Amino acid sequence: QQQVKQSPQSLIVQKGGISIINCAYENTAFDYFPWYQQFPGKGPALLIAIRPDVSEKKEGRFTISFNKSAKQFSLHIMDSQPGDSATYFCAASIPNNDMRFGAGTRLTVKP
Amino acid sequence: NAGVTQTPKFQVLKTGQSMTLQCAQDMNHEYMSWYRQDPGMGLRLIHYSVGAGITDQGEVPNGYNVSRSTTEDFPLRLLSAAPSQTSVYFCASSPLISGWANTEAFFGQGTRLTVV
Repeated sequence: QQQVKQSPQSLIVQKGGISIINCAYENTAFDYFPWYQQFPGKGPALLIAIRPDVSEKKEGRFTISFNKSAKQFSLHIMDSQPGDSATYFCAASIPNNDMRFGAGTRLTVKP
Repeated sequence: NAGVTQTPKFQVLKTGQSMTLQCAQDMNHEYMSWYRQDPGMGLRLIHYSVGAGITDQGEVPNGYNVSRSTTEDFPLRLLSAAPSQTSVYFCASSPLISGWANTEAFFGQGTRLTVV
C-alpha cells in the first residue's frame, strides 16, 4: 500500500484562485517532506520542501503547511496561474535515503 | 550543465528481451536512484546507491538489476522484460549531506519503455 496518500487526484482552479493539495503519511520516521512539480514529458523538479521541526514554509506563491501530530502536510498555491498547470507529487523520506511518493495531483488552472 | 542524462528516451522491447537503461550525472552526487512512474501510482523506488560499489533495493526491485562502478553512472538492467515493466523510468541524483540523501533530488527526463 502507498505510504504517502495524496488527494485530490485532479484539481481545476480559476486563475488567481488558491490551489490546495493534501498528503498524509503513517511512518513517523519520515523526516523530510518535499513537493515536486512535473510538466508533461519532463522529469519531476523540486518545488519546495519542509522538515518536521517547522509548521510552515513559504517560498513566493507556494506554501507548505505541516501538522506533525496529524501526520499531514499540504501545498498551497496562491494566485494560481495557467503556467502552474502540472502534476504535483508530495513525498516523504527517511534517513536511510528511501523516498516515497504520493500518487500525484493533476492541477489545471483555467484562464 | 547537463545534470542527469538518461538514454534512450523511448524504447520498445519484446517480452523476454533484455536491455540496459543508461543514467549519467555530472554533479558529483553520491546518491543515485531509479524510479518507475505508472498512472495513479506516483513514483516508486526500484534501486538506489549511496556511492560507487554500493547499491540497495527500493520498493519494487524485482526484475531489475543495478551496478555502480563510478560516481557518474548508474545503469538499470532489465534481465527478461515483461509487459508489467511497461512504464516511464526516471533516474535521479542528490548530494549526501551528513550521510543522508533526503535533500533535493535532480531527475532526468525519463525513458518511456513499452514491453509487447
